[in-house]
Amino acid sequence: GQQLNQSPQSMFIQEGEDVSMNCTSSSIFNTWLWYKQDPGEGPVLLIALYKAGELTSNGRLTAQFGITRKDSFLNISASIPSDVGIYFCAGQLGSGYALNFGKGTSLLVTP
Amino acid sequence: EAGVTQFPSHSVIEKGQTVTLRCDPISGHDNLYWYRRVMGKEIKFLLHFVKESKQDESGMPNNRFLAERTGGTYSTLKVQPAELEDSGVYFCASSPTQGGYGYTFGSGTRLTVV
Repeated sequence: GQQLNQSPQSMFIQEGEDVSMNCTSSSIFNTWLWYKQDPGEGPVLLIALYKAGELTSNGRLTAQFGITRKDSFLNISASIPSDVGIYFCAGQLGSGYALNFGKGTSLLVTP
Repeated sequence: EAGVTQFPSHSVIEKGQTVTLRCDPISGHDNLYWYRRVMGKEIKFLLHFVKESKQDESGMPNNRFLAERTGGTYSTLKVQPAELEDSGVYFCASSPTQGGYGYTFGSGTRLTVV
């Protein structure tokens, strides 16, 4: 599968700060997805993006599908302690296809 | 609706032994996927079932790994014989026939080979 470059690898921030992470690929994807994994759990879908240029929000989370279809970013505003976890980006060529994941961004939020 | 269930949640085995992981997808989901995350690396695709048929097994590391989905319901992933590099978290996911974007993952099986 294609390799996705996700950055940063980890972030250590204070409660209330905004967070930004991104993902780039050498290949085009038709769908970009962002997942969060809590300890001992499987990845949970946060946001799915289906069109180049699309900007989608889910509460304090905002994600964008890059115009080139080779990148995406995720922003978290006003972070809270329960935002702690590992965030993964994933690219998908189409419905039913395998997901290509980034290596994850580990987020730590201090009160 | 029950989610994707995986068993066991943890398994510690010795090198050379056999381990079988089980996944029960969401009822009615035809698509079933196996993924693996080795420590610090990305989550990697292993294979994809549509009902009982293997749609794509391009991610299977080698012939020590055998996946089955008899009857198109639950699936098993057997590793025989296990090697140290097989350690990691094995995730199963499922999605319905239509709209297979962002499917639902199970909690994973953490496999440690010592």
